[in-house]
Amino acid sequence: GAGVSQTPSNKVTEKGKYVELRCDPISGHTALYWYRQSLGQGPEFLIYFQGTGAADDSGLPNDRFFAVRPEGSVSTLKIQRTERGDSAVYLCASSLRRENEQYFGPGTRLTVT
Amino acid sequence: QKEVEQNSGPLSVPEGAIASLNCTYSDRGSQSFFWYRQYSGKSPELIMFIYSNGDKEDGRFTAQLNKASQYVSLLIRDSQPSDSATYLCAVNGYGSGYSTLTFGKGTMLLVSP
Repeated sequence: GAGVSQTPSNKVTEKGKYVELRCDPISGHTALYWYRQSLGQGPEFLIYFQGTGAADDSGLPNDRFFAVRPEGSVSTLKIQRTERGDSAVYLCASSLRRENEQYFGPGTRLTVT
Repeated sequence: QKEVEQNSGPLSVPEGAIASLNCTYSDRGSQSFFWYRQYSGKSPELIMFIYSNGDKEDGRFTAQLNKASQYVSLLIRDSQPSDSATYLCAVNGYGSGYSTLTFGKGTMLLVSP
């Protein structure tokens, strides 16, 4: 079946601009996660959704970052007033239930100039 | 603070040899352990997961878990050049409500023909 999909695959934006990154999880997966990966590092947790609600947003670095999952499927990660330090690959993962294996999408490479 | 430690490598092995990748973790309450393979420029791909002490085999891959020593390893038998990638160890612990993953920085494996 179809895996996790993310759009866009690449996003270049200017410092101070607003961006939205989209994730479409595997069908039937109730848990959805956002991670961020910088070069040479492992993925770093940002936020976790169980259904429509953000069950854990402790990884969001500051209030410029926000994510939604209004219908319990597709999720959007929103970054306001982007900074150069936000440049990274943003990964989305989904799992059948929260304690199960997580499957990653291809990621969105964000570059803030 | 939960930590997952891996030797960054590179670990170099000849084709056909056994590659041994190691990982230690700090959260004694951790329950689930995952190995992801990540090719350069790609997203992490789940290759093994283990929940109980002991060994778990899947094809050429064997995951080993020792909770008392807080140690998990991945053995790759009959290594192939196509196995050359970064291997990420991830831990899903009680402290995160069994939801989020904490990743190590990964070990780069190089398999020479």
